[in-house]
Amino acid sequence: DADVTQTPRNRITKTGKRIMLECSQTKGHDRMYWYRQDPGLGLRLIYYSFDVKDINKGEISDGYSVSRQAQAKFSLSLESAIPNQTALYFCATSGTSGTGGNTFGSGTRLTVV
Amino acid sequence: AQSVAQPEDQVNVAEGNPLTVKCTYSVSGNPYLFWYVQYPNRGLQFLLKYITGDNLVKGSYGFEAEFNKSQTSFHLKKPSALVSDSALYFCAVRPLAGGYNKLIFGAGTRLAVHP
Repeated sequence: DADVTQTPRNRITKTGKRIMLECSQTKGHDRMYWYRQDPGLGLRLIYYSFDVKDINKGEISDGYSVSRQAQAKFSLSLESAIPNQTALYFCATSGTSGTGGNTFGSGTRLTVV
Repeated sequence: AQSVAQPEDQVNVAEGNPLTVKCTYSVSGNPYLFWYVQYPNRGLQFLLKYITGDNLVKGSYGFEAEFNKSQTSFHLKKPSALVSDSALYFCAVRPLAGGYNKLIFGAGTRLAVHP
């Protein structure tokens, strides 16, 4: 099994719908992140959580919310999806020292029509 | 503002030739530096990192990177490119100041290795 698992892998949804992307990890890491990837923009941080009770906005949090249900689970929600949220979304984890970098999931390709 | 620049959208190299993918950063202090690779329909995979010590670090798949503090650069290199190295490469920086040390990514460089 993968260290960081994202579901679904692909999703097409309609404008205005609520959608949840889920992430679970077996790394035992406290820190979890959600990024979106757009061509030519690299990865941009949406939200991050350094433990279950600590959730923080990243650089592009508008239109998104998150829930840290447990140390191993971190979900991302789009309350009312819009077409410019069409992107590749990645969940990642890291240890507390930061020296090990991030471990990434395989991504969720979301299309909002 | 803290940032990471990868000045080339794409790098084209013939198989067997050396390759360089460039990265410069604008971050205060002495950050941790990383390179990741992304193959089609896959997540990002860790290649190598610089934390401290020798400026030349070696990583997975024969890649290495050279840290230059005065030029704030961390260029990725490989002596002999393979077609299978064709992928999207991301440089990332983790600032150590400010408490929450999150990764900042460059926009990515697509490496195309031709037979």
